[in-house]
Amino acid sequence: GAGVSQSPSNKVTEKGKDVELRCDPISGHTALYWYRQSLGQGLEFLIYFQGNSAPDKSGLPSDRFSAERTGGSVSTLTIQRTQQEDSAVYLCASSSIYNEQFFGPGTRLTVL
Amino acid sequence: SQKIEQNSEALNIQEGKTATLTCNYTNYSPAYLQWYRQDPGRGPVFLLLIRENEKEKRKERLKVTFDTTLKQSLFHITASQPADSATYLCALRADSNYQLIWGAGTKLIIKP
Repeated sequence: GAGVSQSPSNKVTEKGKDVELRCDPISGHTALYWYRQSLGQGLEFLIYFQGNSAPDKSGLPSDRFSAERTGGSVSTLTIQRTQQEDSAVYLCASSSIYNEQFFGPGTRLTVL
Repeated sequence: SQKIEQNSEALNIQEGKTATLTCNYTNYSPAYLQWYRQDPGRGPVFLLLIRENEKEKRKERLKVTFDTTLKQSLFHITASQPADSATYLCALRADSNYQLIWGAGTKLIIKP
């Protein structure tokens, strides 16, 4: 593909429901990042995948958040029992290791 | 504590003038620093990377400087245009860490 894609672009859910956000990185990029961005704020690191190494989950805000990366490509971020404070734009980025990051358009999550 | 700071106030510049944005950091020894542009509703887009041993980097109307003594990077846009209006984010990579540490961004408004 030409770039990083994410789906859905928008997600509205009710408090307490689970949501899954998907990221398709650029083919051949070994590194994949998930960030969260609240309105007018900077990027908050969530999780990092690099090749077959164990992911760095140090940025996940609670155990309701988890992510997987299958086959070194597609990644899914799952938020269980969503809360209103989870509302934000969730951005995915991929890169060749230690190089610039290429971002997807993001998923805007709204928890009612 | 370690942090990276950008001016949180919007910067208003008259079209044709040079816009200068500042990124300051403390308690890091960055291997490199990157600048990104973010438009509303979009993910950040990479602009320039400058390494710790470089003083200046240019790309078309863009110029970045990096002063490791002052712990500061300046981002310049010459002959600014309304289309340059966006939020500009700086991010640095500490030598010992693969992660990028992100500033909150500065909103730039170029007035015709």
